[in-house]
Amino acid sequence: DVKVTQSSRYLVKRTGEKVFLECVQDMDHENMFWYRQDPGLGLRLIYFSYDVKMKEKGDIPEGYSVSREKKERFSLILESASTSQTSMYLCASSGFNPGNTGELFFGEGSRLTVL
Amino acid sequence: QKEVEQDPGPLSVPEGAIVSLNCTYSNSAFQYFMWYRQYSRKGPELLMYTYSSGNKEDGRFTAQVDKSSKYISLFIRDSQPSDSATYLCAMSKGVGGSNYKLTFGKGTLLTVNP
Repeated sequence: DVKVTQSSRYLVKRTGEKVFLECVQDMDHENMFWYRQDPGLGLRLIYFSYDVKMKEKGDIPEGYSVSREKKERFSLILESASTSQTSMYLCASSGFNPGNTGELFFGEGSRLTVL
Repeated sequence: QKEVEQDPGPLSVPEGAIVSLNCTYSNSAFQYFMWYRQYSRKGPELLMYTYSSGNKEDGRFTAQVDKSSKYISLFIRDSQPSDSATYLCAMSKGVGGSNYKLTFGKGTLLTVNP
């Protein structure tokens, strides 16, 4: 089974702190994604990556950056956390193996609270 | 107009009811249509996947796509309390490069009461 592991399920940070959210997948997937999920707003794509060291902005990249130094790991960085970034963060991966649907496999989520 | 519209509910039904969940979309380039199920405090998981128009059945679940109307549906027969979750529709233009990026509906919260 594909496993997408997010390093922290719950975090509490202070305004202005630098925050790292880590995500690791074990299926050699090419694509990795970071979403945030908020009540009434649904899932919104922050950044995605189609290959190592490659990244593309999603719909709401402001205030975030990402790093993908290894194929299995995709990190989301909040350079200076703000209260508006309190949210559930979901990492996902997908691959282009022949015959697969390209479905997204999600991690369990990281609930971040910024005080 | 949003690219994907989904009634957020909440929807509450008795056990055994037939449930209908729907999404409409505006971009005719979408070709791949999915339904994800998300239990509370968990990540979404793929429930159904359909390419282009037509129906697909899997046990108690049926997915329908009508590209001419830009309308997709998920039907749940004989609903069970274990079906209580948020259901998200999602769609993409393709499976290669940036075409793969999924566009999600906001999700419908379903509660099935015993």
